[in-house]
Amino acid sequence: SQQGEEDPQALSIQEGENATMNCSYKTSINNLQWYRQNSGRGLVHLILIRSNEREKHSGRLRVTLDTSKKSSSLLITASRAADTASYFCATDVSNAGKSTFGDGTTLTVKP
Amino acid sequence: EAEVAQSPRYKITEKSQAVAFWCDPISGHATLYWYRQILGQGPELLVQFQDESVVDDSQLPKDRFSAERLKGVDSTLKIQPAELGDSAMYLCASSLDSAKGREKLFFGSGTQLSVL
Repeated sequence: SQQGEEDPQALSIQEGENATMNCSYKTSINNLQWYRQNSGRGLVHLILIRSNEREKHSGRLRVTLDTSKKSSSLLITASRAADTASYFCATDVSNAGKSTFGDGTTLTVKP
Repeated sequence: EAEVAQSPRYKITEKSQAVAFWCDPISGHATLYWYRQILGQGPELLVQFQDESVVDDSQLPKDRFSAERLKGVDSTLKIQPAELGDSAMYLCASSLDSAKGREKLFFGSGTQLSVL
């Protein structure tokens, strides 16, 4: 069964614009992670946010977590063509490192 | 930078044949995962190892899939016999020690399996 669900399924923007994607989940979590996947490749870790944290930053990335709404958002500022990829959220409810992935948001950044 | 190694990169097989995938995690990583990813979907966990022990294989179709990590280092995932529905990307990932709060996953490039 799927724990996390990303929204929108697909997003297309112009270079320089900001991109926001959301993740909603069903049960309480220990942590939530965001990953990026370029076509045909493995996933790359972006940010991990724990249940007692509300916001984290890494370069042009900003992640928020609202445990009351069971949702998280990933903001990519000043997007670049190289940001074109699929973005997945992964939730861990077990505190044993078992992360469950959603089906992702496909981001296209047009030059 | 250290990487998770997987081989082969691509595998084409006929249904009912046996296939095997190999994964070498980042040195020192205690936790190893095998995921299956169908095109257009997110990765689905098949099996999780902590050192040489299986922590979770609840989603592994045990009638045809097997996984081992004999010395707690590299791992092999086998499918026998392969079915058409097994066509997917098989991803290996490792983490320093998920049982101790080191949950960041490092993924290999995957093995793309096509069953004809």
